[in-house]
Amino acid sequence: DTEVTQTPKHLVMGMTNKKSLKCEQHMGHRAMYWYKQKAKKPPELMFVYSYEKLSINESVPSRFSPECPNSSLLNLHLHALQPEDSALYLCASSPWTAANTGELFFGEGSRLTVL
Amino acid sequence: AQKVTQAQTEISVVEKEDVTLDCVYETRDTTYYLFWYKQPPSGELVFLIRRNSFDEQNEISGRYSWNFQKSTSSFNFTITASQVVDSAVYFCALLNAGNNRKLIWGLGTSLAVNP
Repeated sequence: DTEVTQTPKHLVMGMTNKKSLKCEQHMGHRAMYWYKQKAKKPPELMFVYSYEKLSINESVPSRFSPECPNSSLLNLHLHALQPEDSALYLCASSPWTAANTGELFFGEGSRLTVL
Repeated sequence: AQKVTQAQTEISVVEKEDVTLDCVYETRDTTYYLFWYKQPPSGELVFLIRRNSFDEQNEISGRYSWNFQKSTSSFNFTITASQVVDSAVYFCALLNAGNNRKLIWGLGTSLAVNP
């Protein structure tokens, strides 16, 4: 069983909706990540939080808004999304800061469909 | 430029066959890390191995083995006596040790192990 838990596993939303994806880890990791993955593609980095502060934003559109309320939780707030934003959204954590050695622990993802 | 190439898009084998997944990388850095991740149908990316650029020793873990050759910039992954549970997409990735510690992913190889 994964130690990074993501909810919901599936989400369908309209373009005018506001929704949130949630991620939780209890491994004491201080770096947390959001990735987006389209079908048959590798994951694309969106955001990195290091010690609860946003350290990397890969030029993600503002309709995606990350939040890290504490060291165990990571949210991704969604608003006014487009159909092309439909994808698998993966949360990950790692023991170190954003300057890590790439050993990431992933959740099973939230599969998002935007109608 | 940094790049990871996984030339095999899809591989299909019969159970108990050995299979090798190829990974070729490009980087100008002298210090870097190489990774393999497994992504089963459940969606969760699972870390398999990290190898740093100064350690060319091959690694064996059960039925899995990795061959790192700097001379050919390759980091190949072999599964011995494959099993149906090995069916997944396998990603090779590269991380440099510079300021931009962002994983560079290959496109992945989809492995189907048939009974």
